Amino acid sequence: KNQVEQSPQSLIILEGKNCTLQCNYTVSPFSNLRWYKQDTGRGPVSLTIMTFSENTKSNGRYTATLDADTKQSSLHITASQLSDSASYICVVSAPGANNLFFGTGTRLTVIP
Amino acid sequence: EPEVTQTPSHQVTQMGQEVILRCVPISNHLYFYWYRQILGQKVEFLVSFYNNEISEKSEIFDDQFSVERPDGSNFTLKIRSTKLEDSAMYFCASSEQGEDTGELFFGEGSRLTVL
Repeated sequence: KNQVEQSPQSLIILEGKNCTLQCNYTVSPFSNLRWYKQDTGRGPVSLTIMTFSENTKSNGRYTATLDADTKQSSLHITASQLSDSASYICVVSAPGANNLFFGTGTRLTVIP
Repeated sequence: EPEVTQTPSHQVTQMGQEVILRCVPISNHLYFYWYRQILGQKVEFLVSFYNNEISEKSEIFDDQFSVERPDGSNFTLKIRSTKLEDSAMYFCASSEQGEDTGELFFGEGSRLTVL
């Protein structure tokens, strides 16, 4: 069964600290893996999208890694800011239509 | 920067009433989608639309739901007779390429509350 599991479910960190969010998936075949940031009550916004051949991708203070062999991805946030408080959703795509599999997200809270 | 816009941002309706949610996708995009997110749960796919017809739909998208692209810019989701369990955030999205390879751009969402 195609599934995307994220951990932790929620995380609280101090402003300025780094953190790493995890995503494990069982989706096969695999097309790409995406990380989205979703502020409360808003639409998801794309952070990174990685294909099979990419094992790391950065977008500012966000760095995503992908290990397609172990079917794991992580999102590392450096020097967190209050505005990083949001849900971070891992989405794995398989080839074809209607083949996006969403994780339940990690709720990150950055406190001063 | 181009964006997907949705209206209304919040709609409250009585059970059994019809609701139409509206979306203006990014102008050069060819693929359009509706997703929903029940409070505290994951985003769920409803329907995809390409070349003026539905390309895929999920089990959630039953006969009570319909989509339309009435003109060159709007993309609407209609719920014919709302149920309590239709209360959710509804997101429209669009992409240049199909969702498996193309980047999805989501709107800000329409929150539907069914009483």
